[in-house]
Amino acid sequence: AQSVTQLGSHVSVSEGALVLLRCNYSSSVPPYLFWYVQYPNQGLQLLLKYTTGATLVKGINGFEAEFKKSETSFHLTKPSAHMSDAAEYFCAVSVRFSGGYNKLIFGAGTRLAVHP
Amino acid sequence: GAVVSQHPSWVICKSGTSVKIECRSLDFQATTMFWYRQFPKQSLMLMATSNEGSKATYEQGVEKDKFLINHASLTLSTLTVTSAHPEDSSFYICSAPFKNDEQFFGPGTRLTVL
Repeated sequence: AQSVTQLGSHVSVSEGALVLLRCNYSSSVPPYLFWYVQYPNQGLQLLLKYTTGATLVKGINGFEAEFKKSETSFHLTKPSAHMSDAAEYFCAVSVRFSGGYNKLIFGAGTRLAVHP
Repeated sequence: GAVVSQHPSWVICKSGTSVKIECRSLDFQATTMFWYRQFPKQSLMLMATSNEGSKATYEQGVEKDKFLINHASLTLSTLTVTSAHPEDSSFYICSAPFKNDEQFFGPGTRLTVL
């Protein structure tokens, strides 16, 4: 069965510092992996996704993630944090089911705080 | 990009009443939609998969009679919380898949049951 583990429920960085949010997955088939961001009282916005091909994926707002099959990881990084990056981040793995579409299994989330 | 809307964005109701939440795909058709529930400071938990023209598929542990789902058209799915109680208070989010491998999420509905 597919599952996602996000290490660190809270991460705090200084503005301008490197952001690293960790995600490990478990999947019996080649996974589709996603990172979403959620601002308070809002829905989820897709940051980036890995399906096939290049293992280094670039997303919006300067974020990127690298799919490492040997480590079953999909960590999210950003070279320089901005105050507006403060939000909740969710890693997710997709599960294809008979309907043809993918259900998403989410990690517990990591709350990113950025301080001046 | 694809846009998904939800209505209402927040609702307060008395215990014992029913509440209907709408999820619409605004610029694309969605034969499938997903309903999630999110408790404060927690992750999203999939409740059910809504299928246009057929019955919804519920995740284990979700009460079908409590959370009624109707996928009336290719752009509308509704979630009705029947006989709501304070423990049903939560943030409800829907999503719709677009081009198979990506889901677009609605802005969510905050339900508070008094």
